[in-house]
Amino acid sequence: DVKVTQSSRYLVKRTGEKVFLECVQDMDHENMFWYRQDPGLGLRLIYFSYDVKMKEKGDIPEGYSVSREKKERFSLILESASTNQTSMYLCASSLTGQEPSRGYTFGSGTRLTVV
Amino acid sequence: LAKTTQPISMDSYEGQEVNITCSHNNIATNDYITWYQQFPSQGPRFIIQGYKTKVTNEVASLFIPADRKSSTLSLPRVSLSDTAVYYCLVGDPNGGGGNKLTFGTGTQLKVEL
Repeated sequence: DVKVTQSSRYLVKRTGEKVFLECVQDMDHENMFWYRQDPGLGLRLIYFSYDVKMKEKGDIPEGYSVSREKKERFSLILESASTNQTSMYLCASSLTGQEPSRGYTFGSGTRLTVV
Repeated sequence: LAKTTQPISMDSYEGQEVNITCSHNNIATNDYITWYQQFPSQGPRFIIQGYKTKVTNEVASLFIPADRKSSTLSLPRVSLSDTAVYYCLVGDPNGGGGNKLTFGTGTQLKVEL
């Protein structure tokens, strides 16, 4: 079964810490995405990447950066964690041009709490 | 990116058919309509995708009128386990540049006995 794996299910970090959220997919997908999900706000796109070493800002990139050194791995970095970054973080991947499309495959999420 | 509008919540009972309608007035020629399902503490899961008319799979049916400005997800004979949030999205899955999708707040479906 194909998978998107997020390294941690739950994380607690302190304000000001540098935080790394890791995501790995085993489907050889070109595209990878990081979303955050908050009650009442749905899923909001932080960053995405459509190729190795390529990255594009999503709708809410402030306070975040990403790294994609290998096709299968997409990392989200919180340079200096703040309490307003407490959220559920979801990684997804997709294949361009597949027929029929299978859409995005999501990981199970990382619930990050910044204290 | 085309924006979608769907009801915030819906209630149903086990065994009933549920239809969730989504409007997407600004859908582009190359856009497909895709629906996802999300259970608590899990990532969304792809349910169905279509371009026009009707698409059916083992989980749901998707009805798309000729003008494609709306679509309806139909869940036949729902059960308690269908209680979830359902998201309607439009986008071009064959487009370059990551074919990013914008999720709205979805429709919370609650199924009761």
